[in-house]
Amino acid sequence: DIQMTQSPSSLSASVGDRVTITCRASQSISNYLNWYQQKPGKAPKLLIYAASSLQSGVPSRFSGSGSGTDFTLSISSLQPEDFADYYCQQTYSIPLYTFGQGTKLEIK
Amino acid sequence: EVQLVESGGGLVQPGGSLRLSCTGSGFTFKSYTMSWVRQAPGKGLEWVSTISASGDTTYSADSVQGRFTISRDNSKHTLYLQINSLRAEDTAIYYCAKDIVRVPVAGDYFDYWGQGTLVTVSS
Repeated sequence: DIQMTQSPSSLSASVGDRVTITCRASQSISNYLNWYQQKPGKAPKLLIYAASSLQSGVPSRFSGSGSGTDFTLSISSLQPEDFADYYCQQTYSIPLYTFGQGTKLEIK
Repeated sequence: EVQLVESGGGLVQPGGSLRLSCTGSGFTFKSYTMSWVRQAPGKGLEWVSTISASGDTTYSADSVQGRFTISRDNSKHTLYLQINSLRAEDTAIYYCAKDIVRVPVAGDYFDYWGQGTLVTVSS
């Protein structure tokens, strides 16, 4: 099975900061990597699909990159509403849609 | 507007059963693969099960194989998850999610999620 490892597990940052979250796959997954945001008490929300494609309606301060085994989610200028949990997900290995363990983004 | 509404969660004793439902609206339900994802309290997301648009193809995680059964009734725009032989570690919020494909293929993703239904397994 493909394992997905996110780093860091938690991150403290300030409004206006640029932050980067990393997701590493245990084997190559091409660009079949998605990113979700989850706020407390809410369902996950799709941010990025196919490693770098921005889902409709998602602010352009979010961006994704990478291919193969190493991927990043970047937020160019943190806004108060961006403090949440973030998860990567691989959909290369059908049907095991593995998620990363999550990254908690907190206000410094 | 796409909406997914789950129901059927609750408190159940170890070894018990529940059937979760998820009703979809605002999209052509019969045209899309659907999935269940769960989240234990304070933990991350875990993919549980997926069913193709026609219902012909189903997949489940090893952790629930043989105990959970995914199904759908396209005439009722409803997705189901029959969960049997429940264990304490099955305690979680169960989300249904809409996939973007007709059959599970590489590159799939979940573009809409329901609000979740809580399953608590305890004596």
